[in-house]
Amino acid sequence: EAQVTQNPRYLITVTGKKLTVTCSQNMNHEYMSWYRQDPGLGLRQIYYSMNVEVTDKGDVPEGYKVSRKEKRNFPLILESPSPNQTSLYFCASKKGYEQYFGPGTRLTVT
Amino acid sequence: GIQVEQSPPDLILQEGANSTLRCNFSDSVNNLQWFHQNPWGQLINLFYIPSGTKQNGRLSATTVATERYSLLYISSSQTTDSGVYFCAVGSGYSTLTFGKGTMLLVSP
Repeated sequence: EAQVTQNPRYLITVTGKKLTVTCSQNMNHEYMSWYRQDPGLGLRQIYYSMNVEVTDKGDVPEGYKVSRKEKRNFPLILESPSPNQTSLYFCASKKGYEQYFGPGTRLTVT
Repeated sequence: GIQVEQSPPDLILQEGANSTLRCNFSDSVNNLQWFHQNPWGQLINLFYIPSGTKQNGRLSATTVATERYSLLYISSSQTTDSGVYFCAVGSGYSTLTFGKGTMLLVSP
């Protein structure tokens, strides 16, 4: 089944404790992206990657890092999480213009 | 950057009713998509429609690029149509700007 997977689905952590949210797709898509969704704000793009070893900032990259060492994986790294990074995070991949989203990761930083 | 405005912000319908959701955008785009987020949070791609009209079952969409708006029509609404509908636009391939969404509740 073609899909984008994210792990973990839910995470509660404390300020400053480094964490990684993994994202993997099995559709051989070159393009992958991370978004965060906050109430009343819609989805905002954090980072995107056009291909392996090619990443670029989206609209809200501060406090996040990404890497793209393999085509299928695009992890999101929070080196020192803060409470304002409490949000619902979505990974997506696409070929052409049709975008496929992962199930989301709900992150709470206390 | 491109601004995206969706209206109405909230909509309550009886099952069987029709509705029209609107998306206005501030600049020329070559990418416009409609998404549905169901009550469980899952995001589903409904249409890729930078211009013209498309139909998929009870849903259809029209984009008038020269006037910078797009409409999503839902006919004979069902409770499973409930959720948030997002319009997202882009002027290139790499980035998408999302509107704040229209929250739809269809009651039986």
